[in-house]
Amino acid sequence: NAGVTQTPKFQVLKTGQSMTLQCAQDMNHNSMYWYRQDPGMGLRLIYYSASEGTTDKGEVPNGYNVSRLNKREFSLRLESAAPSQTSVYFCASLGRITLGEQYFGPGTRLTVT
Amino acid sequence: AQSVTQLDSQVPVFEEAPVELRCNYSSSVSVYLFWYVQYPNQGLQLLLKYLSGSTLVKGINGFEAEFNKSQTSFHLRKPSVHISDTAEYFCAVRRGNRDDKIIFGKGTRLHILP
Repeated sequence: NAGVTQTPKFQVLKTGQSMTLQCAQDMNHNSMYWYRQDPGMGLRLIYYSASEGTTDKGEVPNGYNVSRLNKREFSLRLESAAPSQTSVYFCASLGRITLGEQYFGPGTRLTVT
Repeated sequence: AQSVTQLDSQVPVFEEAPVELRCNYSSSVSVYLFWYVQYPNQGLQLLLKYLSGSTLVKGINGFEAEFNKSQTSFHLRKPSVHISDTAEYFCAVRRGNRDDKIIFGKGTRLHILP
């Protein structure tokens, strides 16, 4: 039981490049989330998905797209990376029986130069 | 829409002294409230949560928090801190069970002084 996994762990991009951050959970959770963490800003919600086939914008969705491929996987895509997207990205999941507790992945540290 | 305010970005406290980390929220409906901890270079771990019932909730590592609806607060307390409590603490809010959107505060960094 791996919980929430994220790939890659580290990534360096040049401005304008694109990439997809992958997230998967094996807990049969319905909801999944993408957050970014920046110093002094806490965790800010980018997108979330309450169930397979649905996605909703969070606090800072601009510059990102997401895909809820199936119940297990939720990917985050940067179409044209910008230095302002340098951050640590966390994926999380939430199940109906966990009574509100989110489970977080280990994070992806992204640097855009 | 819900929001969370953590009033202190950093809190220094001497070892074995008590500590309170403050969190206020806003929401037009009933809420679920959470405190998470992030140790240096690690992911987030749930400390405690308030869903309903008793307003005083106890969590792991000796932490507790009190839900105060009239003051829209959910402050985190520990009677005696240890050096191992050095971490960043995040308050989060969810609008009850009908909405899966969960918003975090900006975090409070707890510095334990020897």
